[in-house]
Amino acid sequence: DAMVIQNPRYQVTQFGKPVTLSCSQTLNHNVMYWYQQKSSQAPKLLFHYYDKDFNNEADTPDNFQSRRPNTSFCFLDIRSPGLGDAAMYLCATGDRAYQPQHFGDGTRLSIL
Amino acid sequence: AQSVTQLGSHVSVSEGALVLLRCNYSSSVPPYLFWYVQYPNQGLQLLLKYTTGATLVKGINGFEAEFKKSETSFHLTKPSAHMSDAAEYFCAVVREGSQGNLIFGKGTKLSVKP
Repeated sequence: DAMVIQNPRYQVTQFGKPVTLSCSQTLNHNVMYWYQQKSSQAPKLLFHYYDKDFNNEADTPDNFQSRRPNTSFCFLDIRSPGLGDAAMYLCATGDRAYQPQHFGDGTRLSIL
Repeated sequence: AQSVTQLGSHVSVSEGALVLLRCNYSSSVPPYLFWYVQYPNQGLQLLLKYTTGATLVKGINGFEAEFKKSETSFHLTKPSAHMSDAAEYFCAVVREGSQGNLIFGKGTKLSVKP
């Protein structure tokens, strides 16, 4: 089945130690999204790629970066994680305008 | 500003009872609306969508929603709850000026009692 796959499912890192989360898709969608979801809250959009065009949300901290080397893969880099960055990070894809997004199962990030 | 409001952060029903989860939106353009379900430690799964056309939309797992423009509502219903419906439900609208960015409501956690 065509899917959005996030690795790892659980990630533990130390305060201030850079961490990278990955997302891959077999749907061949041209849009990829990264969301942050804290406990019992709605997903919050961090940024998205439309093809290679990067679009940052205005309130996304500079600590968060992203890379999309090709259509299938997208990475979320957190340069210096703080305790407040502990959350579930969701990757999603989309193709045609106004059509539903397809979500991966997320990576739960813990900060020690 | 555009927004989505879900009334009730927690809803509890008995197995076999009607499920009603409320969603109201604000939008200055015709809205594109979605309901997603999230099970613990999983991503979001699409239940149903409203884009244009028929205002009563049927989705997966027996859920349906009705778009009411006059009430700016898109409530989610299911005639008979099942234990497996226990999850968190999110209503979302496509952000104005974008072609797919979503604004989510805060979610409603549905509990189903045996």
